[in-house]
Amino acid sequence: EDQVTQSPEALRLQEGESSSLNCSYTVSGLRGLFWYRQDPGKGPEFLFTLYSAGEEKEKERLKATLTKKESFLHITAPKPEDSATYLCAVQGAGSARQLTFGSGTQLTVLP
Amino acid sequence: ETGVTQSPTHLIKTRGQQVTLRCSSQSGHNTVSWYQQALGQGPQFIFQYYREEENGRGNFPPRFSGLQFPNYSSELNVNALELDDSALYLCASSPTPAGGDYEQYFGPGTRLTVT
Repeated sequence: EDQVTQSPEALRLQEGESSSLNCSYTVSGLRGLFWYRQDPGKGPEFLFTLYSAGEEKEKERLKATLTKKESFLHITAPKPEDSATYLCAVQGAGSARQLTFGSGTQLTVLP
Repeated sequence: ETGVTQSPTHLIKTRGQQVTLRCSSQSGHNTVSWYQQALGQGPQFIFQYYREEENGRGNFPPRFSGLQFPNYSSELNVNALELDDSALYLCASSPTPAGGDYEQYFGPGTRLTVT
């Protein structure tokens, strides 16, 4: 059974204070690891897909990396508008390519 | 390009009733997946529809059922509602599941409250 664990559950940062979010996973036949951003009461917004260990992707202040057991979402010099819940999900070898999500990290960036 | 849309936005039902939620997939996407997200948790996979057939199912009872139509839109039906069914129901669309592009794009969700 695919499993995803995210840490920390919540993170408060001052504006400009860089940090990292962790996503540990176990999956049978990784097809992809996904990062999403979710604002309160809204659907998840797609950020990145990583397919193999060593891969990195960047978007504005966010950078996602992948190893064989975990992924990190690095946030550089965050701004208050980066406040959201960040969800990590894995896609295994099942025919439906369904996503298995972690519980998310709730990020608050204070001005 | 039109994104994923869902209706209604909010819904309040009584325990034992039945509910139908609707989803229109993103332009060019023929696969629709449904997820349930309880407060403070990540989304949980309910099932997926591809070419109007169920293409995979998560750990949900048979009272959760669905349909996909020729225009790729989809419905989620829940019978005999229970209090624990209160959640945000998310629809996600993607290109064919057998293809190389695996990203799933989510709609805004339907907030279901069961009293």
